[in-house]
Amino acid sequence: DIVVTQSPDSLAVSLGERATINCKSSQSVLYSANKNNYLAWYQQKPGQPPKLLIYWASTRESGVPDRFSGSGSGTDFTLTISSLQAEDVAVYYCQQYYSTPLTFGGGTKVEIK
Amino acid sequence: EAQLVQSGAEVKKPGESLKISCKGSGYNFTNYWIGWVRQMPGKGLEWMGIIYPDDSDTRYSPSFQGQATISADKSISTAYLQWSSLKASDTAMYYCARLDRDGYKSIHSFDYWGQGTLVTVSS
Repeated sequence: DIVVTQSPDSLAVSLGERATINCKSSQSVLYSANKNNYLAWYQQKPGQPPKLLIYWASTRESGVPDRFSGSGSGTDFTLTISSLQAEDVAVYYCQQYYSTPLTFGGGTKVEIK
Repeated sequence: EAQLVQSGAEVKKPGESLKISCKGSGYNFTNYWIGWVRQMPGKGLEWMGIIYPDDSDTRYSPSFQGQATISADKSISTAYLQWSSLKASDTAMYYCARLDRDGYKSIHSFDYWGQGTLVTVSS
């Protein structure tokens, strides 16, 4: 099974500042045949189901603000919120879909400082 | 637009059976994997398994194999998660979600989610 590890567990960022979340997989999720990284990022606000933000490691889902960006390849990935807004307070999860069982990271809670 | 609507909250006793549902609409239910994700109180997301409704091909996480059963009825665009004998440790929110695709039985990210079904198991 591919183990996905996120860091930090939580972070507090001032409004308008940058938030950076890291995600590491225990083996590469880059599929050589199509050069795609099989990694997604989700946002979960309290009392709501998760929402897809980023897929293929760096492609924003339709309707997701461009302050959210994903980067990385192979085993190391980053979700960046360029200018934190109040509505971005949530828990963020990465997930690999390279192989089953599909696995989630443990989550990173983002709060306002 | 695709939509997944789950059955309502359940309160059960240990040892009882339960089947919760997830009805898809707005897309061809048959041709997309549907998955189940557990979220225990105050905890993270855990992938339980997925099913391809067209042929009922099912993949389980080793952590959940034998603990619950995933099924689907493509004639009514509904997926199910069932337990034969619930335990207190099954208390959680359960989400169904659709896996995006770009080819036959391809597995991608979860692009649509149900609203969740809260299962409480208590004596």
